[in-house]
Formats: sequence, structure tokens, C-alpha cells
Amino acid sequence: DAGITQSPRHKVTETGTPVTLRCHQTENHRYMYWYRQDPGHGLRLIHYSYGVKDTDKGEVSDGYSVSRSKTEDFLLTLESATSSQTSVYFCAIRDRDGQYNEQFFGPGTRLTVL
Amino acid sequence: QKEVEQNSGPLSVPEGAIASLNCTYSDRGSQSFFWYRQYSGKSPELIMFIYSNGDKEDGRFTAQLNKASQYVSLLIRDSQPSDSATYLCAVRSGTYKYIFGTGTRLKVLA
Repeated sequence: DAGITQSPRHKVTETGTPVTLRCHQTENHRYMYWYRQDPGHGLRLIHYSYGVKDTDKGEVSDGYSVSRSKTEDFLLTLESATSSQTSVYFCAIRDRDGQYNEQFFGPGTRLTVL
Repeated sequence: QKEVEQNSGPLSVPEGAIASLNCTYSDRGSQSFFWYRQYSGKSPELIMFIYSNGDKEDGRFTAQLNKASQYVSLLIRDSQPSDSATYLCAVRSGTYKYIFGTGTRLKVLA
């Protein structure tokens, strides 16, 4: 257990509404990541952070923004949700002490956009 | 586009047999390689990682890496029904990023 929690765990929303997902970690890891997982596509990187206020885009960043104002929290925002953003969202951290920079995942958030 | 390829399966093996899962990757500069197990409806769980060419064993699991051929494999000995899951291969690409395969679904038949 890498001390990662995600909230909410499940959410149903309507097209066009803003949605914010939260990832919280308790072990002071520097690197945090947001992925989405869809059938046939595997895990795809949305955004990542390498420190407070330091973020960068992944391969599927369109329609998403992130913020990291403190080490323990990494927020993912869908400014105007679309049905194509229905997915399972996973937060991950990179273990600062890991020899091989292992990633560990949170429990996930299942988001449905109607 | 850097890629990680896996056969989607399902790979079916009888209980007690060896399950062999394979993964190829395109980025020759990749340094670290990971295997995750994911049960349906759950998050990926790290089970093995490997850095150097050759074999790395941990209990019933053996990871094998061949950088020249750009493949990494996972062997599961004495497969159990509880090993039935999707296995994700991941490769660290550059300093920050990780690329995942789409996973191989393993079924262990009792």
C-alpha cells in the first residue's frame, strides 16, 4: 500500500459539466501521474507532475487539466465533460526510494459521463 | 510513437502448469521494465520489475529481459486459479514516463 487514495471512487455526471478528481498521497512522493484505462487501449497517461506546481502533458491530455498546489494532492479536472471521457481513472506515484522507480497505483475512479 | 505490445489473450493454462506471458517494446533506450497484475475491477498491482538482461526470480514468478531483442517475459510457475487476471507490461521511457501494454488476460483452469 503506497498510501494513495482517490476520490470520488464512482461518479456519474452529465455532458458539459465540470468534474474534478482528487488523488491524495501520504508518503511525500515527488512524482504523481493520472492515467485513464479503457478496453483495448490499456493505461494511457493524461498528465503527470514532478513537483509542486510542476506538471506536464501525457499522450491523451486534450480536455483535461491538472493542478498540484501541495505535494500530497494532485487534481485532475475535466472542464466540460464529454461522453468520450467515460473511463476508469487511476492515479499513480513513483516510489522515491525504489531502485527502479516503480509506480504504484491508487484504487481508481470510475467516471460515467451521460 | 513508442509502443509496448502484448497478446491480449486469453491465455488458458491448467492449474499447476507454467504460464508464459510475453511483451515487446519499441524504445531501445528503455531502462526499467515492470509487470503488473490487475484483477477485474481493481487497480494494477506491481508484481515484478527487472532492469538487467537475464532472469529475475521472486517466488513463483520469473521475469526475463532481453534488451537486444527488445522483449520481456513473465513466467508463472505452478499456476493457480487465483493467478487468473490481466497482466500488464510496462516500460519506463525517459525520466518520467511509463508506457503500458494493453495486457494479457490469463485464465488458470482448475
